[in-house]
Amino acid sequence: NAGVTQTPKFQVLKTGQSMTLQCAQDMNHEYMSWYRQDPGMGLRLIHYSVGAGITDQGEVPNGYNVSRSTTEDFPLRLLSAAPSQTSVYFCASSYSGAVEDTEAFFGQGTRLTVV
Amino acid sequence: SQQGEEDPQALSIQEGENATMNCSYKTSINNLQWYRQNSGRGLVHLILIRSNEREKHSGRLRVTLDTSKKSSSLLITASRAADTASYFCATGAPGGYNKLIFGAGTRLAVHP
Repeated sequence: NAGVTQTPKFQVLKTGQSMTLQCAQDMNHEYMSWYRQDPGMGLRLIHYSVGAGITDQGEVPNGYNVSRSTTEDFPLRLLSAAPSQTSVYFCASSYSGAVEDTEAFFGQGTRLTVV
Repeated sequence: SQQGEEDPQALSIQEGENATMNCSYKTSINNLQWYRQNSGRGLVHLILIRSNEREKHSGRLRVTLDTSKKSSSLLITASRAADTASYFCATGAPGGYNKLIFGAGTRLAVHP
C-alpha cells in the first residue's frame, strides 16, 4: 500500500516559472490537503478538499491553485513562483473531512527552491 | 494563525530519560492529536485524545489533556535515540470544521 505519494521530491524553479506538485493517495480518502513547512513556523494549511470537485482555501492560499477531479489526485499549482514560496510542501489525506477526529496520512514532501 | 503552540521549542536529553513536551491552544476543541516528524520525512500520527479524556497511553507515550487550561502534554518515557524527531500537536481550526492546524513543534534530540 503506497499511501500518499508526492512528486517530485526536489525542485528548483526560477522566479516567475510555473509548476505543478503532484499528490496521489490510494486509500480512497475523501479529504486531502496541502501544507507548507517553513523553519520555526510549523505547518501552514494552503488548500484542502473534502471530495472530488470540492476545494477550499486554508491559511495561506495566495499564489497557489488546486483542483480535485478524482478522489485519488490533488495537484498543487504555482502559477508564477516567487522566492517567498521556497519551502517544503506536504500533501496529506484522511478518511473524512472531520479532521479533528481522523488520523492524517502525510506524503514524504517536496522541497521547493525558488531562485 | 496557529491554534496550538508547543514548548519547549527544543529539548535535548540522554537515552533512558523521559521527555515532556507541552502544547497550548487558544479556543475550544473536540480532539487533539500528536504527530512525529523524523528529519526530512512526512508527519506520522501518534495519538488522538478526545476532549472528554484526561489521559491516554500508547506504548511509551502518555498524553494528557487539560481543557480548563487549554493545554496538552506528551510524555515519552525511557527515550531512545530513535525518538529523535520533531513533535507537533494539531487541533481543528477555530470555526473551521475541515481545517487541521499544527503548532510550530518541539525538536527532540535523544543522545546515546
